[in-house]
Amino acid sequence: KQEVTQIPAALSVPEGENLVLNCSFTDSAIYNLQWFRQDPGKGLTSLLLIQSSQREQTSGRLNASLDKSSGRSTLYIAASQPGDSATYLCALKAAGNKLTFGGGTRVLVKP
Amino acid sequence: GAGVSQTPSNKVTEKGKYVELRCDPISGHTALYWYRQSLGQGPEFLIYFQGTGAADDSGLPNDRFFAVRPEGSVSTLKIQRTERGDSAVYLCASSSRVTSGGANEQFFGPGTRLTVL
Repeated sequence: KQEVTQIPAALSVPEGENLVLNCSFTDSAIYNLQWFRQDPGKGLTSLLLIQSSQREQTSGRLNASLDKSSGRSTLYIAASQPGDSATYLCALKAAGNKLTFGGGTRVLVKP
Repeated sequence: GAGVSQTPSNKVTEKGKYVELRCDPISGHTALYWYRQSLGQGPEFLIYFQGTGAADDSGLPNDRFFAVRPEGSVSTLKIQRTERGDSAVYLCASSSRVTSGGANEQFFGPGTRLTVL
């Protein structure tokens, strides 16, 4: 059974610092990996999707890497802003098409 | 076009009551998913539809939970004899037709917050 872990559970940084969020998984037989953002009381917003054949994806200040052999993905957010404060979730898609989520990392960017 | 919508946004009910939660997927999306998110945790898969049929219902916790999608568009998640432990946010997602390789991105609705008193 796939297990997805996100450490740390919470993170607080001053504005301008780069954010590094970690996601680890136990089964490398995945189709893709998605990073989501969730604001309090809201649904999920997809940030980046990395196919299993890819090593990374970039969108603006966001960069996500995928290393299947070590069972890890990292989301980098450059030059963090207070508006980046949210919970960030990683999710894996394997056979069966359902997503398996980590517990999330709650991020606070202090002005 | 419009995204995934869910109604109601909030539902408060009493233990033992029956509830229905509705999901309207993105127009043209043939795959629909239900997830449940408890406070402070990531979402957990409940059930997945491809068209009108449930392709995978392995995440439904017990037989009090049931979901339908009779016309391949709108879906309803039904919970009988609700318990306090059913309190959570119920999220719906949709994607275009699933193909081998699993490239299809899932788009999520805002969720329904269910509180069982």
